[in-house]
Amino acid sequence: AQRVTQPEKLLSVFKGAPVELKCNYSYSGSPELFWYVQYSRQRLQLLLRHISRESIKGFTADLNKGETSFHLKKPFAQEEDSAMYYCALGATSGSRLTFGEGTQLTVNP
Amino acid sequence: KAGVTQTPRYLIKTRGQQVTLSCSPISGHRSVSWYQQTPGQGLQFLFEYFSETQRNKGNFPGRFSGRQFSNSRSEMNVSTLELGDSALYLCASSPDIRAEKLFFGSGTQLSVL
Repeated sequence: AQRVTQPEKLLSVFKGAPVELKCNYSYSGSPELFWYVQYSRQRLQLLLRHISRESIKGFTADLNKGETSFHLKKPFAQEEDSAMYYCALGATSGSRLTFGEGTQLTVNP
Repeated sequence: KAGVTQTPRYLIKTRGQQVTLSCSPISGHRSVSWYQQTPGQGLQFLFEYFSETQRNKGNFPGRFSGRQFSNSRSEMNVSTLELGDSALYLCASSPDIRAEKLFFGSGTQLSVL
C-alpha cells in the first residue's frame, strides 16, 4: 500500500533561515514524488517533482530511496513562502496521488 | 488558457439528500480526478476518469459516484448525504493519465447539516 508521512503539521522559521519540510513514503514500486503548495486563498498547485530535479522558487527536493524520503529544502526562507505544503506519491499508472497530511509553514519577519 | 473550473463554489445540503458537483477541465485535458479534503483526513483520492472511463477508484462507499462526458467534463454525485461528507471536493485535470501534470480547481465546499 502507498503511504506518505509528513511528521510536522506546523513549522515556523524566521526569514533568511534554512527550512526543511520532511516527507517519508512507503511504496513497493518505483516512486513518483511531488511537492504541492497551497498559498492562502489560492488553489493547490504543483511546486516540483522528483523526476525533473529542478529548483522552483529556491526550493529543491532530493529523492532518497534508501531512506524512502523526499524532503523539501530551501536555504533562505522568505515570508512569501508561508503556505501549506503537501508531499504526494504517484501511482505507477494513472494520475492518482496519495497525499501526506501537509505541513503549514510560517516564515516570520 | 482557463483553469479547472468547479461549480458550484459552495453547497449546503441536509442529511439524506443527494448532490451533484461539476468539473470542467482545462481545454485539451482528457483526464479528470476527484479528491476529498477534510481537516481530519487530509486529501483523499475519490476516482479518476480518462476518456469517459473510470480508471481508478478510491476507498469510498458506493454512495460516491462519478462520470465523465465526451467533452471531458466530469460530475461526481453523492447520494444519501451524511454529516461526515462535509468537505472540500477538489477536481484535478491533466492532459493524459500521468500524475506529473495535475492542475487543481478551487473546489466545491459542501456542508451537510
